[in-house]
Amino acid sequence: AQSVTQLGSHVSVSEGALVLLRCNYSSSVPPYLFWYVQYPNQGLQLLLKYTSAATLVKGINGFEAEFKKSETSFHLTKPSAHMSDAAEYFCAVSDYTGRRALTFGSGTRLQVQP
Amino acid sequence: DAGVIQSPRHEVTEMGQEVTLRCKPISGHNSLFWYRQTMMRGLELLIYFNNNVPIDDSGMPEDRFSAKMPNASFSTLKIQPSEPRDSAVYFCASSFEKNQPQHFGDGTRLSIL
Repeated sequence: AQSVTQLGSHVSVSEGALVLLRCNYSSSVPPYLFWYVQYPNQGLQLLLKYTSAATLVKGINGFEAEFKKSETSFHLTKPSAHMSDAAEYFCAVSDYTGRRALTFGSGTRLQVQP
Repeated sequence: DAGVIQSPRHEVTEMGQEVTLRCKPISGHNSLFWYRQTMMRGLELLIYFNNNVPIDDSGMPEDRFSAKMPNASFSTLKIQPSEPRDSAVYFCASSFEKNQPQHFGDGTRLSIL
C-alpha cells in the first residue's frame, strides 16, 4: 500500500520568505515521489520528481525537494517566495516496480502576501 | 508537442441529461487516467487504463459513470443520467508508464443544474 500525507492544507508566507511545504509518504517498496503545482483553472503541472537518483531534486521555478528515507519525507522548499508562486501544490507517490499508479496527497494551498 | 487535450472545457446541462467528456492523451503514452476534483473531496482518481485496458475502476462513484478507451488516442467519460452532485472539474492525464509522471489536461468544468 502507498499513501501521502501533506501537513497543512493552507500555508501563508510573505514575499521573499522561505517556502516549506511538507509531505510524508508511506510505501512498502522504494518510492518514486513527485510534486505538482496547480494554478487556478488549470491542470496539474509537474514541478519535480525523485526516482532514486540524487536525494536532493531540483525542479522548475526555483523549487527543490529532498528525499529523506529515515523520515519518510519529501518536503518542498523555495528560498524566496514570489507572488506568482501562489497556487495549490500536490505531493504524489508511486513505486519503482511500476505496479501502482500515482497516489496524490490532499494538496496544500500556498498564499504569498506582499 | 501537443499536451493532453480535453473537450469540452466547460459544460452546463440539466440533471438527467447524458454528459460525455473527451480526452486525447499524449502520443506514445500508454497509461490514461480520469480524475475528479471538488472543493469537498479534493482530487479523486476515478479510473485508469493501461494499453487501452481498464485496470482500476474502483474510484468510479456508481453505475451512472462509465469510461471507455477504444484506441490509444481517445478516451471518453460518460455520466448518464447526470445529477447536480456530479458538478466538478474532471481531469484527464496520461503517462508513459503508470508509475511515471502524469501530464494533465486543462480539465472540463462540469455544472449540472
